[in-house]
Amino acid sequence: DAGVTQSPTHLIKTRGQHVTLRCSPISGHKSVSWYQQVLGQGPQFIFQYYEKEERGRGNFPDRFSARQFPNYSSELNVNALLLGDSALYLCASSLDAYGGSTGELFFGEGSRLTVL
Amino acid sequence: AQSVTQLGSHVSVSEGALVLLRCNYSSSVPPYLFWYVQYPNQGLQLLLKYTSAATLVKGINGFEAEFKKSETSFHLTKPSAHMSDAAEYFCAVSESGFQKLVFGTGTRLLVSP
Repeated sequence: DAGVTQSPTHLIKTRGQHVTLRCSPISGHKSVSWYQQVLGQGPQFIFQYYEKEERGRGNFPDRFSARQFPNYSSELNVNALLLGDSALYLCASSLDAYGGSTGELFFGEGSRLTVL
Repeated sequence: AQSVTQLGSHVSVSEGALVLLRCNYSSSVPPYLFWYVQYPNQGLQLLLKYTSAATLVKGINGFEAEFKKSETSFHLTKPSAHMSDAAEYFCAVSESGFQKLVFGTGTRLLVSP
């Protein structure tokens, strides 16, 4: 079975541009979360979506937005890119809003964004 | 606010030696605690989790961790390191279940022959 898939795997943007990152959860998983991992640091929580509704938001500016589609896939959008947005963006899925019976988030390999 | 502190950004051990990675947490309520491993250019994989059941938690690949409330610690151990254990390890805490994790800054484990 396919795991969490993210696209694109790598991308380069310039300051002020907009970026859209995509995530397909494991089949049957209804919750998707997004994390930002800056080089040398641990991941930071950005958003959680469950059944197409936002269930949680981290301490990120309004330039960051996300949505979840009826097939439970998700997009993360970042507007007006800054140099500091350069990071690995990780998507994680789980069966339900609380991690499912195993209490586990399943992470994708991430999208590495470089802002020049 | 909840947080975790991982002592030591790098830990070096010899193959076959004991692995000890330290994690201390801060939480206003009984926490959920996790250890994740990240191999180069990969996402995170759950090693083990504490959810207020047994204080000694066994995970995958021979790792285990002990929850010590009096010390607010959740250190990760493995009796005998293997070369394949070389990776970045992250401790994480959550007060709301298995989502919205707060991660530490990570510890890179280096294993020498």
